Amino acid sequence: AQTVTQSQPEMSVQEAETVTLSCTYDTSESNYYLFWYKQPPSRQMILVIRQEAYKQQNATENRFSVNFQKAAKSFSLKISDSQLGDTAMYFCAFRVTGANSKLTFGKGITLSVRP
Amino acid sequence: KAGVTQTPRYLIKTRGQQVTLSCSPISGHRSVSWYQQTPGQGLQFLFEYFSETQRNKGNFPGRFSGRQFSNSRSEMNVSTLELGDSALYLCASKRQIQQYGYTFGSGTRLTVV
Repeated sequence: AQTVTQSQPEMSVQEAETVTLSCTYDTSESNYYLFWYKQPPSRQMILVIRQEAYKQQNATENRFSVNFQKAAKSFSLKISDSQLGDTAMYFCAFRVTGANSKLTFGKGITLSVRP
Repeated sequence: KAGVTQTPRYLIKTRGQQVTLSCSPISGHRSVSWYQQTPGQGLQFLFEYFSETQRNKGNFPGRFSGRQFSNSRSEMNVSTLELGDSALYLCASKRQIQQYGYTFGSGTRLTVV
């Protein structure tokens, strides 16, 4: 079974600064995907970034980037130039490749961006 | 294009009643999954449907069931509601099961009193 751990329940960052959200996971699988999802007050889960486990290069999407450490089973999200619209809950998630596409989520972290 | 539509947005039910939630996926998406989100347990997988067949099921009691219609719309049903069933129920869809990325709806907030 897979587990995803987000140990920080809340974080706060000043607008325009950089913040890093931590995530660790545990699995015996070798092929999998990792994701960061954002859930604003509108409740809709929005995909922020994904990483394929077989890729050594860290994924980047505009101001969002990840630090994927496969051996350490760590998958942190860095948000650069934080904006007020980044205020939301952020969830780290895992799924194996193939037909079983169930997502396993961490507990989430509430990020507040201060003006 | 229209996103994933979940109805109703809010629902209040009494213990012992049953409830049906609806999810209309993005046009062309054939895989629909359901998740339960609570403050205590976080997000937990309920089940996944593809082409009207249940492909995966989470660890929930038999009171939780679902189905998918030929137009890919899905419903989930909870019978004999308990207070602990109060949660946000999220539906997510994608074109094929093997695809990595889901598009989520905004959920149905169910309150059991």
